[in-house]
Amino acid sequence: AQKITQTQPGMFVQEKEAVTLDCTYDTSDQSYGLFWYKQPSSGEMIFLIYQGSYDEQNATEGRYSLNFQKARKSANLVISASQLGDSAMYFCAMRDLSNFGNEKLTFGTGTRLTIIP
Amino acid sequence: DAGVTQSPTHLIKTRGQQVTLRCSPKSGHDTVSWYQQALGQGPQFIFQYYEEEERQRGNFPDRFSGHQFPNYSSELNVNALLLGDSALYLCASSYEPAYEQYFGPGTRLTVT
Repeated sequence: AQKITQTQPGMFVQEKEAVTLDCTYDTSDQSYGLFWYKQPSSGEMIFLIYQGSYDEQNATEGRYSLNFQKARKSANLVISASQLGDSAMYFCAMRDLSNFGNEKLTFGTGTRLTIIP
Repeated sequence: DAGVTQSPTHLIKTRGQQVTLRCSPKSGHDTVSWYQQALGQGPQFIFQYYEEEERQRGNFPDRFSGHQFPNYSSELNVNALLLGDSALYLCASSYEPAYEQYFGPGTRLTVT
């Protein structure tokens, strides 16, 4: 079974500062993928970044980077130069990649990020 | 390029009634997944449809059923509604070999 743990229910960060959102995971799968999604108050889940378990480099997408530490089973999201529009719920998720057709995403409980002007 | 669309946006039903939610996937996507997100929680996987068949199912009772049409759009049906079914229902679409799933805006269901 897969499990995602996000231990920060809420965070307040000053605009233009960098922020790290924590995510730890547990799985017995040999091959897996890790995702971060942003959910504004409108409700839509917006895909931010993906990291495969066998990827040697940490993933980056614009201001987003994923700090992947496989031995520690952590996949923290780093947002550089935060903006007011970054205020939202952030969810870490994972899926098994070793079985074709197994696309189920397992989500954590999320972190509410608030950017302060 | 249209993203994932869902209808209706909001819905209010009474306990015991039945409801149907609809989803159109992103252009080029052939797989649709449904998730239930209770207030203050992360989304929980309900099931996934591929080639008009249910390919994978989460831990949800048989009251939750679905369908996928030849154009890849999908419906989620919930029978005998309970108060605990009140949630945001999210549809996500994807295609292999890409890994990410793209979500729609959701349908907020309230059961009174």
